[in-house]
Amino acid sequence: DAKTTQPTSMDCAEGRAANLPCNHSTISGNEYVYWYRQIHSQGPQYIIHGLKNNETNEMASLIITEDRKSSTLILPHATLRDTAVYYCIVRVAAGTASKLTFGTGTRLQVTL
Amino acid sequence: DAGVTQSPTHLIKTRGQQVTLRCSPKSGHDTVSWYQQALGQGPQFIFQYYEEEERQRGNFPDRFSGHQFPNYSSELNVNALLLGDSALYLCASSGWTSGALVATDTQYFGPGTRLTVL
Repeated sequence: DAKTTQPTSMDCAEGRAANLPCNHSTISGNEYVYWYRQIHSQGPQYIIHGLKNNETNEMASLIITEDRKSSTLILPHATLRDTAVYYCIVRVAAGTASKLTFGTGTRLQVTL
Repeated sequence: DAGVTQSPTHLIKTRGQQVTLRCSPKSGHDTVSWYQQALGQGPQFIFQYYEEEERQRGNFPDRFSGHQFPNYSSELNVNALLLGDSALYLCASSGWTSGALVATDTQYFGPGTRLTVL
């Protein structure tokens, strides 16, 4: 699986959009971009994933660049409950026994 | 619809003992993966079970073993516990869902079991 690079930490004011970047310059054509978050001492929570098109769900939006070498997770209106470590992961599509390889993630702190 | 459940929530053992952790997958899922998360680090893949067989394994010693039952639930066993085995053990389940072009097997995590080895 391709490696990812994320900033160690970010701050965001409550109510503002949180934009979390991720670089995955060695991503392969059959690899998806996945985002998970982990609130302190809880299991990781799935947020969103995409292949090459932008994706949106009730939690967030995922913007993938045209060359697929980077992506941005957008939380449109951050709240204090969004404070967590956010992991960007690339993995092969289904059809293989594909593990998740977690890096160190981005620690997002949402403040009043 | 119940999500992934794990038991017990917390566990304290001493060095040299053996431990068994349990996981029930999300309804409709047939694949279970186990991860170990040491304090301050991201989760590390231990192994994955599908159709009652180990399908993929990470870089963990043979002291770590598992099992999957016909109802898709799974156990993680760790023998000869070391202090370094203290961690949060996470179970994730997945199953096939059809997307626009290809199927993807998103993994959903349980709350974890916190193991402390003294």
